[in-house]
Amino acid sequence: SQQGEEDPQALSIQEGENATMNCSYKTSINNLQWYRQNSGRGLVHLILIRSNEREKHSGRLRVTLDTSKKSSSLLITASRAADTASYFCATRATTSGTYKYIFGTGTRLKVLA
Amino acid sequence: DGGITQSPKYLFRKEGQNVTLSCEQNLNHDAMYWYRQDPGQGLRLIYYSQIVNDFQKGDIAEGYSVSREKKESFPLTVTSAQKNPTAFYLCASSFAGTGAGNTIYFGEGSWLTVV
Repeated sequence: SQQGEEDPQALSIQEGENATMNCSYKTSINNLQWYRQNSGRGLVHLILIRSNEREKHSGRLRVTLDTSKKSSSLLITASRAADTASYFCATRATTSGTYKYIFGTGTRLKVLA
Repeated sequence: DGGITQSPKYLFRKEGQNVTLSCEQNLNHDAMYWYRQDPGQGLRLIYYSQIVNDFQKGDIAEGYSVSREKKESFPLTVTSAQKNPTAFYLCASSFAGTGAGNTIYFGEGSWLTVV
């Protein structure tokens, strides 16, 4: 079952605007990661935030993490048409001594030029 | 170049056939994963492996099989028991261990279509 759930499922904005997408998860985590996927391609890592961090920045990306609410948000500032893609959050779940990465359902972002 | 190579990019399967998707990595990663993605949907974990000669079922393992005979390779076989195999398949890898910062690296994916 999917641990992460992103919302909104789809988002359409104008170039230059900010885009915010949210991720909720169910279990305790060591870290939460955000990935980007262009249509028909593999996923590319964007940013990782550890469970003891509350906010992290990377270029035009800002990620927040609220472990009490089991949620994270990804903010893309000054969006560009090239930011059009699907964005996924991922968390690591531990089961019987093994671990696996669980991805959310994704937010499809469309940036209009 | 370092990375993950999936092949073939496009594959067509007839009803009742088994097909194998290849995944090779030269990143010296211990852990490897297979995900299935249906159009417009998220990723669902099929199988994962943290060490050679060992692997675990993910959330949707029925109708699939894997092997991990070499660290670099993690092929996925879609068997005839998988009734709805048409999807985009993604292979990934990462370092293992309990470190908090293990980024996952993905291949470019393989499209499988049943004809």
